Amino acid sequence: AQRVTQPEKLLSVFKGAPVELKCNYSYSGSPELFWYVQYSRQRLQLLLRHISRESIKGFTADLNKGETSFHLKKPFAQEEDSAMYYCALRAADKIIFGKGTRLHILP
Amino acid sequence: NAGVMQNPRHLVRRRGQEARLRCSPMKGHSHVYWYRQLPEEGLKFMVYLQKENIIDESGMPKERFSAEFPKEGPSILRIQQVVRGDSAAYFCASSPLLAGDTGELFFGEGSRLTVL
Repeated sequence: AQRVTQPEKLLSVFKGAPVELKCNYSYSGSPELFWYVQYSRQRLQLLLRHISRESIKGFTADLNKGETSFHLKKPFAQEEDSAMYYCALRAADKIIFGKGTRLHILP
Repeated sequence: NAGVMQNPRHLVRRRGQEARLRCSPMKGHSHVYWYRQLPEEGLKFMVYLQKENIIDESGMPKERFSAEFPKEGPSILRIQQVVRGDSAAYFCASSPLLAGDTGELFFGEGSRLTVL
């Protein structure tokens, strides 16, 4: 079965501290993983995708097929990173989302 | 480009009534996706449509729910004989024909349905 699991509903991190948002997936095919973000009063939008191997706003995510994980990391949290983050998996022609993790950056 | 437009933003219905939610994709986009978000839940895939075609409706409840994306006009998600459990936020997303493989979806602001 295709599934995306984000174990943390809420993650509170002090400004300047490292951030890691966890994501695990279950998929029998070749996975394509994404992170989407929703800032307060804004629409859900793509943050990054694993095939691009890019760093966006200081965030990176590495696909680990052995652990079936795609954790989102940032070395130094900033207050503007506070948002809702969703991990997503492309499964054939649809994109499946996890339940999301709310990241709260403490001053 | 105004982005993906959904209306109404808020809809209140009594049990047994019909709800129609509309989604106008971004200009040039011919793929539309509908998702449902229940309280404390993530985005649950419902249906994927291209113009005049339903590509994948594996997430749609078997009864009362239907979706269409006609050649002209917006995509419509229709819920007949609504029940309280249908209360949720319904999100529409679109992607362009040629860039659909990138996996980037462009989301609307959602339509919140409340069933009394």
